[in-house]
Amino acid sequence: ETGVTQSPTHLIKTRGQQVTLRCSSQSGHNTVSWYQQALGQGPQFIFQYYREEENGRGNFPPRFSGLQFPNYSSELNVNALELDDSALYLCASSPGTSGTPPPNEQFFGPGTRLTVL
Amino acid sequence: QKEVEQNSGPLSVPEGAIASLNCTYSDRGSQSFFWYRQYSGKSPELIMSIYSNGDKEDGRFTAQLNKASQYVSLLIRDSQPSASATYLCAVLLSGGSYIPTFGRGTSLIVHP
Repeated sequence: ETGVTQSPTHLIKTRGQQVTLRCSSQSGHNTVSWYQQALGQGPQFIFQYYREEENGRGNFPPRFSGLQFPNYSSELNVNALELDDSALYLCASSPGTSGTPPPNEQFFGPGTRLTVL
Repeated sequence: QKEVEQNSGPLSVPEGAIASLNCTYSDRGSQSFFWYRQYSGKSPELIMSIYSNGDKEDGRFTAQLNKASQYVSLLIRDSQPSASATYLCAVLLSGGSYIPTFGRGTSLIVHP
């Protein structure tokens, strides 16, 4: 069973640039969530995709956008980068929102460390 | 009021002691609760999930849930220095969402 993978592991960008982060979900998982984690904070929810549809969004501006592909891998795109976007970006996959009550345990990838200069 | 609260710590315990980590949440309808361990510079790793009131044990870990008092705790028995990490509490809030809300985490230091 393959776990969640993310690429790249580290990235350095300058303010105003655009970035794309990638995530491959764990085998058998059809739901992917993206989180931003600043130093000393818990993960902050950005959005979730379930079977290629956005299934919820946190309090992030529209310059944060995403996609999920038929194989359930996902991308996070951030436009017009700001200094405050510097953080660890985490992707988590879960078995799916089947409509039954949870458990809906999430498994995280290794993360992408983004630095905006 | 934050939805999921944790004391940021650090909580320092000697090797071999029991470490007790606490988490409170504001949504009385929450049904699912998770504990993650996060080593410095790494991503969170799921260590326990709990859904019913009471205790759930797994190895050195015991999760305790009290829905009436709206808290969930994690006990680590016979703590080892390798347990030094940040422990994140995550709660699945009610209202049909399947998106856990995380606390800011408690830093645990186990000293020899």
